[in-house]
Amino acid sequence: NAGVTQTPKFRILKIGQSMTLQCTQDMNHNYMYWYRQDPGMGLKLIYYSVGAGITDKGEVPNGYNVSRSTTEDFPLRLELAAPSQTSVYFCASSSQTTSVRTDTQYFGPGTRLTVL
Amino acid sequence: SQKIEQNSEALNIQEGKTATLTCNYTNYSPAYLQWYRQDPGRGPVFLLLIRENEKEKRKERLKVTFDTTLKQSLFHITASQPADSATYLCALVGSGTYKYIFGTGTRLKVLA
Repeated sequence: NAGVTQTPKFRILKIGQSMTLQCTQDMNHNYMYWYRQDPGMGLKLIYYSVGAGITDKGEVPNGYNVSRSTTEDFPLRLELAAPSQTSVYFCASSSQTTSVRTDTQYFGPGTRLTVL
Repeated sequence: SQKIEQNSEALNIQEGKTATLTCNYTNYSPAYLQWYRQDPGRGPVFLLLIRENEKEKRKERLKVTFDTTLKQSLFHITASQPADSATYLCALVGSGTYKYIFGTGTRLKVLA
């Protein structure tokens, strides 16, 4: 299994441009998450999904959109990029199949985004 | 507002000693607390999960305690090795939600 894969690894955007960060997992996990991590800071939850077709906002959703059309993919869309969105973005997934939560999140390698 | 505090200063310890990292939280009643390891340029890797009704959890050289009265978790690495050098993050989540809250992490450096 490849686990959680993210593309691209690096990207530089100009202010006002748009882009989609891709995230794919091959573990058949029903839960997927997007986080951002600024230097010296913890992870901030942007959006999450509990299954295909279901998404919900996290702590910092403004300026982002997501969709979950399949179990495997959870792309993150940035519209009208701003310098404040310069960060490292991590995608994660977990499996919750029973009433007992295990909550182990598996993270991807991250996408380093710079907005100039 | 909900807040998680981890010691932002790096922790340097000598090889073979026990490293103890702290995670304090306020304005929150987590059902689960997790610890992750993060190496530079990589995504976090899950280490341990402890539930609100558990006092202690162990895995090999790792031990986590969870005191819901003090609102604190301690993370111990016994017989530390230089390979344990990394940033360690704690994360909390409530019982009825999947919105995780992460601390800023503590950087551990084990000196040979």
